[in-house]
Amino acid sequence: EVQLVESGGGLVQPGGSLTLSCAASGFSFSSHSMNWVRQAPGKGLEWISYISRDSSSIYYADSVRGRFTISRDSAKNSLYLLMNSLRADDTAVYYCARQFDDWGQGTLVTVSS
Amino acid sequence: SSELTQDPAVSVALGQTIRITCQGDSLRTYYANWYQQKPGQAPILVIYSKNNRPSGIPDRFSGSSSGNTASLTITGAQAEDEADYYCNSRDDSGNHYVFGTGTKVTVL
Repeated sequence: EVQLVESGGGLVQPGGSLTLSCAASGFSFSSHSMNWVRQAPGKGLEWISYISRDSSSIYYADSVRGRFTISRDSAKNSLYLLMNSLRADDTAVYYCARQFDDWGQGTLVTVSS
Repeated sequence: SSELTQDPAVSVALGQTIRITCQGDSLRTYYANWYQQKPGQAPILVIYSKNNRPSGIPDRFSGSSSGNTASLTITGAQAEDEADYYCNSRDDSGNHYVFGTGTKVTVL
């Protein structure tokens, strides 16, 4: 069974940083591309970043490019999202997704003073 | 970048058929996937690559596409189908992804 478990969310002040993790199990992590998707409270889904199986291709949405960094560690079966210069409009539930087939339950990031 | 536009809300009587549409220029090139999301839960993939159902998804869910419009059809809607539905696809560049604006489906 595919399992994706996000962690690292919490309350952070504007301008601060946070790193999200996604622990993957139940599938060959190194064989699949991964994505981060977020959902602001009461809003729709927003794709924010993609990383290929071997990290050779990485893409970001315009809204986070230059501030967020996606990475993965196949030895640890884990996906990461380093978030810098956080703003109030980054407040959202952040989901990791195996391609877009399977999703974790999400972790809430709140940016507020 | 591209946008995918969906009707904000639609309703359907129990057991009837409903079609949800997703419009965007990138759909002329790329297939759409469809996701169901219930309150407080993560999205679930219900249709991928235009009209393929993952294991465990009932066959009352089907997808289709024509021109710049992708559609999700629920034939014989059940109470448990009440949820938000999102389409997604690649954008015009092919390197980014975009989600539709979402459709709230109410089963009456």
